[in-house]
Order: sequence, then structure tokens, then C-alpha cells
Amino acid sequence: NAGVTQTPKFRVLKTGQSMTLLCAQDMNHEYMYWYRQDPGMGLRLIHYSVGEGTTAKGEVPDGYNVSRLKKQNFLLGLESAAPSQTSVYFCASSYRGRNQPQHFGDGTRLSIL
Amino acid sequence: AQKVTQAQTEISVVEKEDVTLDCVYETRDTTYYLFWYKQPPSGELVFLIRRNSFDEQNEISGRYSWNFQKSTSSFNFTITASQVVDSAVYFCALSEGNAGGTSYGKLTFGQGTILTVHP
Repeated sequence: NAGVTQTPKFRVLKTGQSMTLLCAQDMNHEYMYWYRQDPGMGLRLIHYSVGEGTTAKGEVPDGYNVSRLKKQNFLLGLESAAPSQTSVYFCASSYRGRNQPQHFGDGTRLSIL
Repeated sequence: AQKVTQAQTEISVVEKEDVTLDCVYETRDTTYYLFWYKQPPSGELVFLIRRNSFDEQNEISGRYSWNFQKSTSSFNFTITASQVVDSAVYFCALSEGNAGGTSYGKLTFGQGTILTVHP
């Protein structure tokens, strides 16, 4: 049982390059989330999705786009990477409901040079 | 807007000591949920506990215990007889419940407390 799988685990980009982070979950969860973790700031919500075909902005959405074409996948895109986007990115998923614990992937460490 | 504050940035203890991690939250809602997550050195986030705003009963799970006090907006976490394997970053998080139930489980995290347990 894989849970939440993030691909890739590490990536180094140059400023201005684009890339997509993939999140896949096999728990049939309705809700999915993308967070970024920066030192001293905890985790901050970038975008989230409450179902296939739906997405919404979180606390820090600028510079990112997302898509959820299939229930099990949630993609995070950086169209033109900037050094300020250097961070560790976590994907999470949960069952429907505000009281449901979120299950996290192992994270993607992204460096923008 | 909701806010979670973990004032202790780093805590260092010696094995077998008890340690309490503080969490203070702010919210205007009457219905909300509080969570604790653990992030060991390997980096993944592990769910530890959930508490809803209607239940102020303290909870104990082995060496872990949680003290929820609405009067002080606090949800503190105590590890009894700490062990080296408890070394991790611990996050407190808050999920609001809107009146219409449409908060979608979005979490607001505290800054995290780095706990180091020395042998």
C-alpha cells in the first residue's frame, strides 16, 4: 500500500525553467493538497483540490498552477521557476471532511539556481 | 484569520526527561480541529492526533499525552520519559470548520518545534 507518492524526490532547476511535480495517492481520497515547507515557517498551503476537475488557491498560490484530471493524481506546476521557490514541497490527501487527518508524501526537495 | 503559534523553536533534553511542546491557536470559529504531526529526520510527516473543539478531554497514548484547553486556546503535547527516537520536528495545525462546512480541511500549521533528545 503506497499511500501518497511524490515524484521526483529531488530536483535542481535554473531560474526561468519549468517543471511539474506529480502526486499520486491510492487511498481513494477526495481531497488533495500541495504545501511548501520553508525553515522557520512551518508548512504553507499552495493549492488544493476537493475532487476530480476542481482546484482552488491556498495561502501562497502565486507562481504555481495545479491540475487534477484524475482523482488519484494532483500535479503542481512551476511555469517559470524563481529562486524564491526553492523549498521542500509536500503533497497530502484526505477523505472528505474538515476533521480528517491528512496523509503526506515524503516530499520533493526543489532548488532553483 | 486563523493562526497557530509554537513559541518554542528548539528544545533539547536528555533521554528519560519529560518534555512539553506548546501550541497556541487563534480562530474565530466555534467549530475547529487541532492536529499534531511529527517530522522525523527522514522528512516525512506522520499524523499523531486529532482533537475537535467540542472535546476538551485530555488524551494519553503510551508516552504521549495531549492537553487541550479552550480557555487558553492551547493544545500542548507532552512526551514522558523521552527517547532518542522522539527527536523530530513537531507541528501543531488547525483546521477550521465553516458554518457551511466548506473549509475543505485546509490546515494552518505552526512554525514547528525541533526536539532533540540526547542519549
